Amino acid sequence: DAKTTQPPSMDCAEGRAANLPCNHSTISGNEYVYWYRQIHSQGPQYIIHGLKNNETNEMASLIITEDRKSSTLILPHATLRDTAVYYCIVGGGGGADGLTFGKGTHLIIQP
Amino acid sequence: DGGITQSPKYLFRKEGQNVTLSCEQNLNHDAMYWYRQDPGQGLRLIYYSQIVNDFQKGDIAEGYSVSREKKESFPLTVTSAQKNPTAFYLCASSIDLGQMDPTNEKLFFGSGTQLSVL
Repeated sequence: DAKTTQPPSMDCAEGRAANLPCNHSTISGNEYVYWYRQIHSQGPQYIIHGLKNNETNEMASLIITEDRKSSTLILPHATLRDTAVYYCIVGGGGGADGLTFGKGTHLIIQP
Repeated sequence: DGGITQSPKYLFRKEGQNVTLSCEQNLNHDAMYWYRQDPGQGLRLIYYSQIVNDFQKGDIAEGYSVSREKKESFPLTVTSAQKNPTAFYLCASSIDLGQMDPTNEKLFFGSGTQLSVL
Protein backbone atom coordinates (compact mmCIF):
# COMPACT_ATOMS: atom_id res chain seq x y z
CA ASP A 1 0.00 0.00 0.00
CA ALA A 2 1.10 3.55 -0.75
CA LYS A 3 2.32 5.48 2.27
CA THR A 4 0.68 8.72 1.14
CA THR A 5 -2.81 10.12 0.59
CA GLN A 6 -3.56 12.66 -2.12
CA PRO A 7 -6.80 14.08 -3.59
CA PRO A 8 -7.58 12.35 -6.90
CA SER A 9 -7.97 15.59 -8.85
CA MET A 10 -7.66 19.37 -8.61
CA ASP A 11 -8.26 22.34 -10.87
CA CYS A 12 -6.26 25.56 -10.98
CA ALA A 13 -6.51 28.66 -13.14
CA GLU A 14 -3.61 29.45 -15.41
CA GLY A 15 -1.23 31.96 -13.83
CA ARG A 16 -2.36 31.20 -10.30
CA ALA A 17 -0.45 29.20 -7.70
CA ALA A 18 -1.31 25.50 -7.60
CA ASN A 19 -1.13 24.00 -4.11
CA LEU A 20 -1.13 20.20 -4.02
CA PRO A 21 -1.55 18.57 -0.59
CA CYS A 22 -0.22 15.22 0.58
CA ASN A 23 -0.69 13.33 3.84
CA HIS A 24 2.05 10.98 5.01
CA SER A 25 1.22 10.37 8.66
CA THR A 26 3.32 7.19 8.95
CA ILE A 27 6.55 8.72 7.64
CA SER A 28 9.62 7.58 9.56
CA GLY A 29 12.43 9.81 10.76
CA ASN A 30 14.87 9.10 7.96
CA GLU A 31 12.42 9.09 5.07
CA TYR A 32 12.28 11.88 2.54
CA VAL A 33 9.23 13.32 0.78
CA TYR A 34 9.57 13.19 -3.01
CA TRP A 35 7.33 14.72 -5.66
CA TYR A 36 7.18 13.53 -9.25
CA ARG A 37 4.84 14.40 -12.08
CA GLN A 38 3.71 12.40 -15.10
CA ILE A 39 2.43 13.92 -18.29
CA HIS A 40 0.19 11.56 -20.22
CA SER A 41 1.99 8.56 -21.75
CA GLN A 42 5.41 9.68 -20.55
CA GLY A 43 7.68 8.56 -17.73
CA PRO A 44 7.39 10.39 -14.41
CA GLN A 45 9.68 13.37 -13.91
CA TYR A 46 11.33 14.28 -10.62
CA ILE A 47 10.27 17.67 -9.22
CA ILE A 48 11.62 18.16 -5.72
CA HIS A 49 12.31 16.41 -2.43
CA GLY A 50 12.75 17.35 1.22
CA LEU A 51 13.32 15.93 4.68
CA LYS A 52 12.00 18.50 7.14
CA ASN A 53 12.92 21.95 5.87
CA ASN A 54 11.04 23.77 3.16
CA GLU A 55 12.68 23.48 -0.23
CA THR A 56 12.54 25.49 -3.45
CA ASN A 57 13.94 24.92 -6.90
CA GLU A 58 13.26 26.22 -10.38
CA MET A 59 10.16 24.06 -10.75
CA ALA A 60 8.37 24.28 -7.41
CA SER A 61 8.39 24.79 -3.66
CA LEU A 62 7.85 22.10 -1.05
CA ILE A 63 6.38 22.95 2.34
CA ILE A 64 6.62 20.22 5.00
CA THR A 65 4.76 20.58 8.28
CA GLU A 66 6.75 20.60 11.49
CA ASP A 67 5.45 17.16 12.50
CA ARG A 68 6.28 15.92 8.96
CA LYS A 69 2.89 14.25 8.64
CA SER A 70 1.88 16.30 5.61
CA SER A 71 3.33 18.45 2.87
CA THR A 72 2.27 20.79 0.08
CA LEU A 73 3.78 21.15 -3.36
CA ILE A 74 3.43 24.67 -4.74
CA LEU A 75 3.66 25.56 -8.40
CA PRO A 76 3.85 29.35 -8.13
CA HIS A 77 2.54 30.36 -11.55
CA ALA A 78 0.79 27.41 -13.15
CA THR A 79 0.78 27.09 -16.93
CA LEU A 80 -1.19 24.77 -19.19
CA ARG A 81 1.92 22.59 -19.50
CA ASP A 82 1.70 21.85 -15.78
CA THR A 83 -1.39 19.72 -16.40
CA ALA A 84 -0.24 16.28 -15.25
CA VAL A 85 -0.58 13.65 -12.54
CA TYR A 86 1.47 14.60 -9.47
CA TYR A 87 2.78 11.87 -7.18
CA CYS A 88 3.81 12.40 -3.58
CA ILE A 89 6.06 9.61 -2.31
CA VAL A 90 7.99 8.88 0.86
CA GLY A 91 11.16 6.86 0.80
CA GLY A 92 14.89 7.04 0.75
CA GLY A 93 15.25 5.38 4.10
CA GLY A 94 17.36 2.66 2.58
CA GLY A 95 14.38 0.47 1.80
CA ALA A 96 15.26 -2.08 -0.85
CA ASP A 97 12.01 -1.88 -2.80
CA GLY A 98 12.13 1.37 -4.68
CA LEU A 99 9.67 4.18 -4.20
CA THR A 100 6.00 3.17 -4.10
CA PHE A 101 3.70 5.25 -6.31
CA GLY A 102 0.02 5.67 -5.50
CA LYS A 103 -2.56 7.11 -7.90
CA GLY A 104 -1.45 10.70 -7.38
CA THR A 105 -3.38 13.93 -8.03
CA HIS A 106 -4.51 14.80 -11.53
CA LEU A 107 -3.93 18.55 -11.73
CA ILE A 108 -5.82 20.31 -14.51
CA ILE A 109 -4.80 23.85 -15.34
CA GLN A 110 -7.71 25.80 -16.76
CA PRO A 111 -7.09 28.59 -19.32
CA ASP B 1 23.02 13.15 -23.18
CA GLY B 2 22.70 10.93 -20.14
CA GLY B 3 19.46 9.13 -19.58
CA ILE B 4 17.37 6.01 -19.83
CA THR B 5 16.28 4.56 -23.14
CA GLN B 6 13.38 2.17 -23.45
CA SER B 7 12.53 0.33 -26.64
CA PRO B 8 10.33 -0.28 -28.43
CA LYS B 9 7.80 2.45 -27.68
CA TYR B 10 4.94 0.18 -28.79
CA LEU B 11 4.93 -3.63 -28.70
CA PHE B 12 2.34 -6.22 -29.57
CA ARG B 13 2.24 -9.72 -28.16
CA LYS B 14 0.49 -12.75 -29.58
CA GLU B 15 -1.08 -15.26 -27.24
CA GLY B 16 1.48 -17.69 -25.85
CA GLN B 17 4.40 -15.55 -26.91
CA ASN B 18 7.20 -14.19 -24.75
CA VAL B 19 8.30 -10.62 -25.44
CA THR B 20 11.27 -8.67 -24.13
CA LEU B 21 11.32 -4.97 -23.32
CA SER B 22 14.66 -3.22 -23.46
CA CYS B 23 15.99 -0.72 -20.91
CA GLU B 24 19.42 0.89 -21.18
CA GLN B 25 20.94 3.63 -19.01
CA ASN B 26 24.17 5.60 -19.32
CA LEU B 27 23.89 7.35 -15.95
CA ASN B 28 26.25 4.90 -14.25
CA HIS B 29 23.49 4.06 -11.78
CA ASP B 30 23.69 0.89 -9.72
CA ALA B 31 19.95 0.40 -9.15
CA MET B 32 17.34 -0.24 -11.82
CA TYR B 33 13.60 -0.88 -11.64
CA TRP B 34 10.64 -2.01 -13.72
CA TYR B 35 7.16 -0.67 -13.07
CA ARG B 36 3.80 -1.50 -14.61
CA GLN B 37 1.07 1.12 -15.03
CA ASP B 38 -2.55 0.35 -15.91
CA PRO B 39 -4.90 3.10 -17.13
CA GLY B 40 -5.80 5.54 -14.38
CA GLN B 41 -3.64 3.73 -11.86
CA GLY B 42 -0.36 4.36 -10.10
CA LEU B 43 2.87 2.51 -10.73
CA ARG B 44 3.39 -1.00 -9.42
CA LEU B 45 6.87 -2.42 -8.94
CA ILE B 46 7.64 -5.60 -10.91
CA TYR B 47 11.35 -6.19 -10.28
CA TYR B 48 14.34 -4.20 -9.13
CA SER B 49 18.07 -4.72 -9.20
CA GLN B 50 20.54 -3.29 -6.74
CA ILE B 51 23.66 -4.41 -8.57
CA VAL B 52 24.84 -6.47 -11.54
CA ASN B 53 23.83 -10.13 -11.43
CA ASP B 54 21.35 -9.51 -8.63
CA PHE B 55 17.64 -8.71 -8.73
CA GLN B 56 14.63 -8.93 -6.44
CA LYS B 57 10.91 -9.42 -6.97
CA GLY B 58 8.63 -6.47 -6.48
CA ASP B 59 4.90 -6.50 -5.76
CA ILE B 60 3.73 -8.10 -9.03
CA ALA B 61 6.60 -10.27 -10.35
CA GLU B 62 4.50 -13.28 -11.42
CA GLY B 63 4.62 -13.79 -15.18
CA TYR B 64 7.72 -11.63 -15.62
CA SER B 65 11.46 -12.28 -15.65
CA VAL B 66 14.53 -10.04 -15.72
CA SER B 67 18.28 -10.21 -16.05
CA ARG B 68 21.08 -7.85 -15.08
CA GLU B 69 24.20 -9.03 -16.85
CA LYS B 70 25.52 -5.52 -17.40
CA LYS B 71 25.25 -2.40 -15.28
CA GLU B 72 23.71 -0.45 -18.14
CA SER B 73 21.02 -2.93 -19.12
CA PHE B 74 17.97 -4.38 -17.35
CA PRO B 75 15.68 -6.14 -19.87
CA LEU B 76 12.20 -7.31 -18.86
CA THR B 77 10.61 -10.41 -20.39
CA VAL B 78 6.84 -10.70 -20.29
CA THR B 79 6.19 -14.43 -20.41
CA SER B 80 3.15 -16.34 -21.61
CA ALA B 81 2.33 -16.93 -17.95
CA GLN B 82 1.33 -13.27 -17.65
CA LYS B 83 -2.33 -13.51 -18.65
CA ASN B 84 -3.07 -9.79 -18.65
CA PRO B 85 0.05 -8.13 -20.03
CA THR B 86 -1.57 -5.08 -21.65
CA ALA B 87 -0.12 -2.09 -19.80
CA PHE B 88 2.39 0.75 -19.92
CA TYR B 89 5.81 -0.40 -18.72
CA LEU B 90 8.29 2.00 -17.20
CA CYS B 91 11.96 1.46 -16.47
CA ALA B 92 13.79 3.61 -13.95
CA SER B 93 17.20 3.90 -12.36
CA SER B 94 18.73 5.51 -9.30
CA ILE B 95 22.26 5.97 -8.01
CA ASP B 96 21.62 3.19 -5.53
CA LEU B 97 18.93 2.11 -3.06
CA GLY B 98 19.69 4.96 -0.70
CA GLN B 99 21.12 2.98 2.16
CA MET B 100 23.97 5.43 2.82
CA ASP B 101 22.44 8.61 1.35
CA PRO B 102 18.63 8.59 1.09
CA THR B 103 18.64 11.06 -1.78
CA ASN B 104 20.45 8.48 -3.94
CA GLU B 105 17.07 6.80 -4.33
CA LYS B 106 15.81 9.62 -6.59
CA LEU B 107 14.39 7.92 -9.69
CA PHE B 108 15.08 8.70 -13.33
CA PHE B 109 12.53 7.24 -15.73
CA GLY B 110 12.52 6.19 -19.34
CA SER B 111 9.72 7.16 -21.72
CA GLY B 112 7.94 3.84 -21.40
CA THR B 113 6.76 0.95 -23.59
CA GLN B 114 3.08 0.36 -24.32
CA LEU B 115 2.47 -3.39 -24.58
CA SER B 116 -0.74 -4.65 -26.15
CA VAL B 117 -2.09 -8.13 -26.84
CA LEU B 118 -3.14 -9.04 -30.37
